[in-house]
Formats: sequence, C-alpha cells, structure tokens
Amino acid sequence: ETGVTQTPRHLVMGMTNKKSLKCEQHLGHNAMYWYKQSAKKPLELMFVYNFKEQTENNSVPSRFSPECPNSSHLFLHLHTLQPEDSALYLCASSQSDRGRETQYFGPGTRLLVL
Amino acid sequence: AQKITQTQPGMFVQEKEAVTLDCTYDTSDPSYGLFWYKQPSSGEMIFLIYQGSYDQQNATEGRYSLNFQKARKSANLVISASQLGDSAMYFCAMREGSIQGAQKLVFGQGTRLTINP
Repeated sequence: ETGVTQTPRHLVMGMTNKKSLKCEQHLGHNAMYWYKQSAKKPLELMFVYNFKEQTENNSVPSRFSPECPNSSHLFLHLHTLQPEDSALYLCASSQSDRGRETQYFGPGTRLLVL
Repeated sequence: AQKITQTQPGMFVQEKEAVTLDCTYDTSDPSYGLFWYKQPSSGEMIFLIYQGSYDQQNATEGRYSLNFQKARKSANLVISASQLGDSAMYFCAMREGSIQGAQKLVFGQGTRLTINP
C-alpha cells in the first residue's frame, strides 16, 4: 500500500452506535490530521497530531474521539452521533520538519448517520 | 472574515482550452503558503501545486501553473490544455503559521470545474 489509506470507505450508523474510522499513512510522515467535509461547506480541520501528540482540537464535540497510537495510524472513534455529523471525513498526513509541508490526503470515509 | 475566497462556484470549459480558477486570500502573516487541491467525485483530495510567500517565481507543475500576485493577494490556478479528466472540485488552501511544526490549512469553498467534450 502506498500513500494514505482510510477504512471503511462508506459507513452508515445509527445515533446510538459506536464505530471507528481508521487512517494509515505509508509516507513516513510525523503529522496526521482529521478533516470534516460537509455539503456546501469548506473543509474543516478537526484534530492535528504531531509526533503522536494532539496539538489541535478545533472545538470538536466530545462524541468524536481521536486516537493516534503511532505516527502511521490515526483513528476517529464515533459515539452517539447526530444526523448533522453526516459528512466526508478525510485523513491527511505531512512531514512537519520541512519548510514546505504538503498535506497528502486519503480517499475519505463517507459517513451517514440515521 | 473568510481567509480564502473562491468566487466561482462552477465553471464550464471546452476541452483543450485553458482555464483560470480564482483564489484570493487574506493574511497579515508575512510567511505563508498557498496550495491547490483537486477533488474528483471519488472524494480524495489530490495535491496539485504549491506557492510560498517568499517564492520569487510563479510555481508550475506540468499543465498547472499558479498566477501569484502578492500585492493583490491572489493565487489563481491556471490549467492549460484542459482534459475531460480535469472535471472535479478544485480547492485553494492557505497555510498560516504552524501548530508546533504541523500545518494548519484553511480551505476555500471550492470551484466545480466541468470540461465539455
């Protein structure tokens, strides 16, 4: 596998379910990100991890819980979500010790909350 | 106030023509970076081109070039000889400062480009 992978690609869940999104990067990067993309809204940064440490929580509700066990893996644990949480969730990674840091994105998980 | 503005919600262009996608930005930080990403219907954000605020020349990557006008705070993407596969959403983004070494990107609302045969 190369680049940034995300699983699952599609997820339908009820408001009482608990599920997790997984992201894995094969680029040797040390920073990972979760973004939310809702219809007709710009991409919103949710969480940032740098060297496994969370450095940004962009006022995200506690029903979203990130986990970064190492620099290659990032999870987003979901529980008691609301229908308005339906969106495309994108993971990205970058190498944070260079002057020009390009973020590389995964294919995303399309989430539908019923 | 919006930091990244893309004023064209949609554009329709004939195949093989050149197309310019507009992006204006707002920042008081002298050091910043500007990115363009392409998002096909599959969802993946594909990096296209980068321009640093101190770069002397406009960035080019194959058929993509960035028309960087610093005084006007604009960073328009130019696609030469458009192809049917260029049909997608295009996002302009800006890096402003950093979060302890990791990037913080702010994205515009995007422009949907459709290439007609």
